[in-house]
Amino acid sequence: GQSLEQPSEVTAVEGAIVQINCTYQTSGFYGLSWYQQHDGGAPTFLSYNALDGLEETGRFSSFLSRSDSYGYLLLQELQMKDSASYFCAVRDHGYGQNFVFGPGTRLSVLP
Amino acid sequence: DTEVTQTPKHLVMGMTNKKSLKCEQHMGHRAMYWYKQKAKKPPELMFVYSYEKLSINESVPSRFSPECPNSSLLNLHLHALQPEDSALYLCASSQDPRGEKLFFGSGTQLSVL
Repeated sequence: GQSLEQPSEVTAVEGAIVQINCTYQTSGFYGLSWYQQHDGGAPTFLSYNALDGLEETGRFSSFLSRSDSYGYLLLQELQMKDSASYFCAVRDHGYGQNFVFGPGTRLSVLP
Repeated sequence: DTEVTQTPKHLVMGMTNKKSLKCEQHMGHRAMYWYKQKAKKPPELMFVYSYEKLSINESVPSRFSPECPNSSLLNLHLHALQPEDSALYLCASSQDPRGEKLFFGSGTQLSVL
């Protein structure tokens, strides 16, 4: 089966840097994705890591360590609009190669 | 066009009603998905269509019936739902069944009375 863990809540101030961790257990790992979801909105894709290392896209970066079954999303220069829920999701061979989502981390950015 | 369009945005139905949710994408994607999301919870996979064929059904009750009329359209037929089925129903698509990126529609907020 699959299991993913994320912190339930993170709070930070504008301009700060925050890291959201994700650990996972899968039957056959293909890759790790991150999605952002604002209240009342749809999940939107942020990043996908299939190989170890850091991927950078603007203010957001995502890291993967396959040997540690661990990844993180790094958000820099936080803005109020970054307040949202962030989900990690793994593509799992044991899940029909489909994505299973983590429980989500609620990020609150304070002024 | 990089959108997944879902209708209706909101739906209220009684337990004896029959209704349908619709989803459309024109990105040429060959995999389409239905997810169910309860408040403050992650999306849960319900159905996957791969090249217009149902490839996975995550033990979803038969009161939910998916349909994929063509590669651009996905429907979810609802019948005799229960109040606990109230949730946000999200449609998503990906370029193919192993696509790295899921494109989500804005969802249908369903309330079952």
